[in-house]
Amino acid sequence: NAGVTQTPKFQVLKTGQSMTLQCAQDMNHNSMYWYRQDPGMGLRLIYYSASEGTTDKGEVPNGYNVSRLNKREFSLRLESAAPSQTSVYFCASSELLQPRNTIYFGEGSWLTVV
Amino acid sequence: QKEVEQNSGPLSVPEGAIASLNCTYSDRVSQSFFWYRQYSGKSPELIMSIYSNGDKEDGRFTAQLNKASQYVSLLIRDSQPSDSATYLCAVRGYGGSQGNLIFGKGTKLSVKP
Repeated sequence: NAGVTQTPKFQVLKTGQSMTLQCAQDMNHNSMYWYRQDPGMGLRLIYYSASEGTTDKGEVPNGYNVSRLNKREFSLRLESAAPSQTSVYFCASSELLQPRNTIYFGEGSWLTVV
Repeated sequence: QKEVEQNSGPLSVPEGAIASLNCTYSDRVSQSFFWYRQYSGKSPELIMSIYSNGDKEDGRFTAQLNKASQYVSLLIRDSQPSDSATYLCAVRGYGGSQGNLIFGKGTKLSVKP
């Protein structure tokens, strides 16, 4: 039972480099999310996709882009990485964007920008 | 800006005691409430959800919701060292961006043997 799978798990980037975090879920969920987690800041929503073909900004979208490639996959791209983007990134999914739908998280991706 | 507030802790309790974790939220139209547990270096894991006023029990865990006071709590009975983790309170609204999960910053719980 894979659930939500993220790659890579660890990455070190130089300032200005670009990279894409990949996420796939095998639960046939419609909604997918990208969060970042920083010490003392909690989990903050970067972007979400309510359903295939739609994406919307969350609380902290600046410096990121996303692509909902298909129902299973939702990628997060850093076009020009900055040290402020050093964080732990979590992809998540839920059946729908409804109050009682549980959100399931991937294992996280640790990104360091130097 | 919707907010979810938690005491950051650390909250330290002896093994076998009751741990009480509290959370307040700012948006009165919030629909559902969740407690996630996060071990160090791991992803958040859902342990309780509650949607109606009152108490909901699941094993050693009891979630309590008071919508009038905009307050939700989690009680952990017979606390074990394995309960040592950060507990995240999260709140969801209904429809569109309101359906997104808003997290508190978490309360770190330490259960001492």
